[in-house]
Amino acid sequence: KAGVTQTPRYLIKTRGQQVTLSCSPISGHRSVSWYQQTPGQGLQFLFEYFSETQRNKGNFPGRFSGRQFSNSRSEMNVSTLELGDSALYLCASSLRISGSSNEQFFGPGTRLTVL
Amino acid sequence: TQLLEQSPQFLSIQEGENLTVYCNSSSVFSSLQWYRQEPGEGPVLLVTVVTGGEVKKLKRLTFQFGDARKDSSLHITAAQPGDTGLYLCAGAEGGSYIPTFGRGTSLIVHP
Repeated sequence: KAGVTQTPRYLIKTRGQQVTLSCSPISGHRSVSWYQQTPGQGLQFLFEYFSETQRNKGNFPGRFSGRQFSNSRSEMNVSTLELGDSALYLCASSLRISGSSNEQFFGPGTRLTVL
Repeated sequence: TQLLEQSPQFLSIQEGENLTVYCNSSSVFSSLQWYRQEPGEGPVLLVTVVTGGEVKKLKRLTFQFGDARKDSSLHITAAQPGDTGLYLCAGAEGGSYIPTFGRGTSLIVHP
């Protein structure tokens, strides 16, 4: 079974621009979560989508948004980029069924650098 | 407030040594996962523990879940350079589907 894929792997943007990141989950997984990872803050939860609906949201500003398509693929958008948005953005898919153990399966990440 | 505290934060050891890393919380978790992350890659799931007192072994890695399901440990026997990476624990409370991650333990094993 193919793993979680993320595109692009690397991205360089300048302040004020916007960016869209893409994630394809493991086949059969309907939940997609996004995380931001930085050396200072560790792995922080952005939001989770399940059945095309945002089910959970972390403590990030409205500049961070996402969506999920009917095939479970997900995109994350960051508008008006700031220097502090430079990070590794990780997508994770999971089964999200009652009684499941919350296991997250991560993609390789998108390394975003904001100049 | 950091829900999951991992210690130590950094560990640098020689090949062949044993080590233990810890994951502690004041919260009770329905399940807890351990992941290993290599530079520039996403975390890879190593194990899930769900029962208080549970012990799981994965080759030279031994994982233990505390009796009260509030803490966990990872013990590596005879560490090898291939064990180098960031070890993350993650736990979800109650009926939550979203786990909270610790800051991780960065392990370097020197040949």
